[in-house]
Amino acid sequence: GAVVSQHPSWVICKSGTSVKIECRSLDFQATTMFWYRQFPKQSLMLMATSNEGSKATYEQGVEKDKFLINHASLTLSTLTVTSAHPEDSSFYICSAPDGRGSYEQYFGPGTRLTVT
Amino acid sequence: GIQVEQSPPDLILQEGANSTLRCNFSDSVNNLQWFHQNPWGQLINLFYIPSGTKQNGRLSATTVATERYSLLYISSSQTTDSGVYFCAVPVRSGYALNFGKGTSLLVTP
Repeated sequence: GAVVSQHPSWVICKSGTSVKIECRSLDFQATTMFWYRQFPKQSLMLMATSNEGSKATYEQGVEKDKFLINHASLTLSTLTVTSAHPEDSSFYICSAPDGRGSYEQYFGPGTRLTVT
Repeated sequence: GIQVEQSPPDLILQEGANSTLRCNFSDSVNNLQWFHQNPWGQLINLFYIPSGTKQNGRLSATTVATERYSLLYISSSQTTDSGVYFCAVPVRSGYALNFGKGTSLLVTP
């Protein structure tokens, strides 16, 4: 149980274009999901909290107009990187608690974004 | 937010050796998780352990909440144990996690 998927696994896009990344909880419902970013050889950094039915909350320093988050249903959150630039190239990972009452988080396999 | 520090940053072991990884955190926590990040980037849940001791095969973990640290023990290490081990605690109250910088483990044959 508690499986989280992401799509795509990797994506290459040109500078100035937008890219959408999907995060799905496969066997549980998630009213809250989280998006993290990981640069090479670094740790994971929380970007934002995705809330079903309401606006996402962003961590300090994360541009909400650049990283659009939509929590469309209880099993799907999407992250859209708008007007991508090479410095947005990173590994994006989502997570969710499994809703069984504990605080344990389960992570998707990640999406590697390369902006050329 | 709650700060988390991991040590050592890097570790090289020969296959069969044992190791202990440490995680110190700055405040009381309702969640502490250990993860293994494999070479493809996937985070594997090892332990959810805000307090107490748990064991899973060759791995075990202990969190002493009153002293604000957690230990991950790896016994009889194998080459497949290589990767980065992260400790994570809540960013604030709630679910979102703040990750330590990790311990990069290399197990050689």
